[in-house]
Amino acid sequence: DAKTTQPNSMESNEEEPVHLPCNHSTISGTDYIHWYRQLPSQGPEYVIHGLTSNVNNRMASLAIAEDRKSSTLILHRATLRDAAVYYCILIASGGSNYKLTFGKGTLLTVNP
Amino acid sequence: GAVVSQHPSRVICKSGTSVKIECRSLDFQATTMFWYRQFPKQSLMLMATSNEGSKATYEQGVEKDKFLINHASLTLSTLTVTSAHPEDSSFYICSANSPGGARETQYFGPGTRLLVL
Repeated sequence: DAKTTQPNSMESNEEEPVHLPCNHSTISGTDYIHWYRQLPSQGPEYVIHGLTSNVNNRMASLAIAEDRKSSTLILHRATLRDAAVYYCILIASGGSNYKLTFGKGTLLTVNP
Repeated sequence: GAVVSQHPSRVICKSGTSVKIECRSLDFQATTMFWYRQFPKQSLMLMATSNEGSKATYEQGVEKDKFLINHASLTLSTLTVTSAHPEDSSFYICSANSPGGARETQYFGPGTRLLVL
């Protein structure tokens, strides 16, 4: 699987937007960009995914660079419940075994 | 979204005993489930892929005779840690592919914290 690079940690204030970056310069044309997050002592939770176009859902937005070598997860208004480790993962489509390879992720701290 | 449960949520056992962890897909059928292990302050590490009706596929370095996986039905996979030792103490998490959305999306269980004394 292609590798991703994320900052180890980021800090935000409550009710402010948060932009979590992810670099994936070796991404292939069939790789989907997935974001998961893991709250303390819980299993990971799916956040959002995309291929080429920007995506929005109730949890977040995903902005994908035109060359697809980077992406940004956007939390529009951070809350204390958004404090978690956020993982950016590339997954090749078309296969039969969708294994996830987790990197270290970004630890997001939200200040009240 | 799809719901995955795990049982037990927490277990303490003596060294040398075996522990079984269950992973269930509550509202969908999962032909494939995944088992991960996470040590404190570290990321998730995939241990094995559990396939319904066939043998599990283990990642390099994971002992298949120590971590027995059974996927006997489309809603249940079990992980048995045999002859557990203190170094097996960890957070074990299972997941299953989304049935209706993108096939690449996985739904995770809440995890099982194992402490071996």
